[in-house]
Amino acid sequence: AQSVTQLDSHVSVSEGTPVLLRCNYSSSYSPSLFWYVQHPNKGLQLLLKYTSAATLVKGINGFEAEFKKSETSFHLTKPSAHMSDAAEYFCVVKGTGGFKTIFGAGTRLFVKA
Amino acid sequence: ETGVTQTPRHLVMGMTNKKSLKCEQHLGHNAMYWYKQSAKKPLELMFVYNFKEQTENNSVPSRFSPECPNSSHLFLHLHTLQPEDSALYLCASSQPTAGRTEAFFGQGTRLTVV
Repeated sequence: AQSVTQLDSHVSVSEGTPVLLRCNYSSSYSPSLFWYVQHPNKGLQLLLKYTSAATLVKGINGFEAEFKKSETSFHLTKPSAHMSDAAEYFCVVKGTGGFKTIFGAGTRLFVKA
Repeated sequence: ETGVTQTPRHLVMGMTNKKSLKCEQHLGHNAMYWYKQSAKKPLELMFVYNFKEQTENNSVPSRFSPECPNSSHLFLHLHTLQPEDSALYLCASSQPTAGRTEAFFGQGTRLTVV
């Protein structure tokens, strides 16, 4: 069985400070993991993905995530937040055994000036 | 621009109307999906099509009727909807291989049922 938990429903940071969005997963198989971003009234855009290559994955817009199997985590980070990063972020797990894709509940990121 | 286009972007319809949402992709993908995104709820997968065949229907009410005439196009036909069906409807596509491929999403259709 697979599941994904985003540990914070919302996170607030000041512009220029680091961002940490937390995601834990559960999967019976070696999973693929993704982070998507959704700006208001827009579709979901892929930020980055982990597919069993390097455990530190770099994505677009300065975001990166580290796959930690021992902690079953895939947290999303960015060294310095920008106002344009304010959006909702979804952690997604996908098993290798089929088409099942599980979305987390989302974390809304607020960026203060 | 993700390569997945949804029309219309916004739709307001009465409960007795019939309307259709359209999704189009030219990414060469063979899997297409409909998702429903309601306020304060997780994203809900509605339907999955692989090579034009429906492979998943997550207990969606029959007032939602999907159609996939070819691998590039996906429709969602709507009739006698309820106000609680108001939501953002997202279409996505991917390669149908199990595992390590990501989905590409359209911008969504914001549906309001009055």
